[in-house]
Amino acid sequence: EVQLVESGGGLVQPGGSLRLSCAASGFTFSTYAMSWVRQTPGKGLVWVSTISADGTTTYFADSVKGRFTISRDNSKNTMYLRLNTLRAEDTARYYCAKDCGLWCFDYWGQGTLVTVSS
Amino acid sequence: QSALTQPASVSGSPGQSITISCTGSRSDVGTYDVVSWYQHYPGKAPKLMIYEVTKRPSGVSNRFSGSKSGNTASLTISGLQAEDEADYYCCSYADSHTSYVLGSGTRVTVL
Repeated sequence: EVQLVESGGGLVQPGGSLRLSCAASGFTFSTYAMSWVRQTPGKGLVWVSTISADGTTTYFADSVKGRFTISRDNSKNTMYLRLNTLRAEDTARYYCAKDCGLWCFDYWGQGTLVTVSS
Repeated sequence: QSALTQPASVSGSPGQSITISCTGSRSDVGTYDVVSWYQHYPGKAPKLMIYEVTKRPSGVSNRFSGSKSGNTASLTISGLQAEDEADYYCCSYADSHTSYVLGSGTRVTVL
C-alpha cells in the first residue's frame, strides 16, 4: 500500500524558514518524480514544485522560485521542501504527491499545515 | 502560472448527471492529452479520478468519465450520489512553464 506522510509544518514568523518532509513507502521511491502541492485557506490546490526521480531536475512555481528548494534522499525514501523567506501568503496545507509518470498525481499525503504569522 | 478555469460550484440531485468544465489554452489542455481530475474532501488526501483525459484508475467508479474538446476538458459524474459531494480539480501539463497547472476547483453539491 502506497503511503505518503508529510511532517514539519508549524507556526513560523514572516521571513522565517521551515523544512517539510514527505516519507514514502509502498513503492519504489527512486523511480518516480515527486511533487508538492499546497492549498491556502479557503482556496484551491496550487502546484508548488516537482523533483525528478534522481533528484537532478527541479521545477518551481513562480510564486516560490528563489525562496523554496526541493530535494530528496532516495536512500531514505524521503522528499523535502525547504521554505525560506516565508510570507503570510505561504500559509497553507502542503501536500506531497507521487507523480504517476503520465503528468498526474496518483497518490497524495494528508498534508502538513504551515502558518506564517507574527 | 494562471489556474485552469473551472466553475466555482455545480449541483445536482441524486441520480442526475453533472458535468464540470476545465478551460485552459493551447499551452496546456488544448495541446496535451494529460488532463487529470481529483476528488478532494477538505482535510483529506486528494484522490485521482481520471488521468490522460479519459482513463480511470483501478477502483474508481465508472460513474466518473472524462473528455476533452479543444482547450476545454470535462468531468462527468453520472448517477450522482451523496458521497460525490466534494471539491474537484482538473490538472494538466503546461508547456509555458514545463510544469503542472491545476484548475481553480469546483464544489459539487448533491441537493
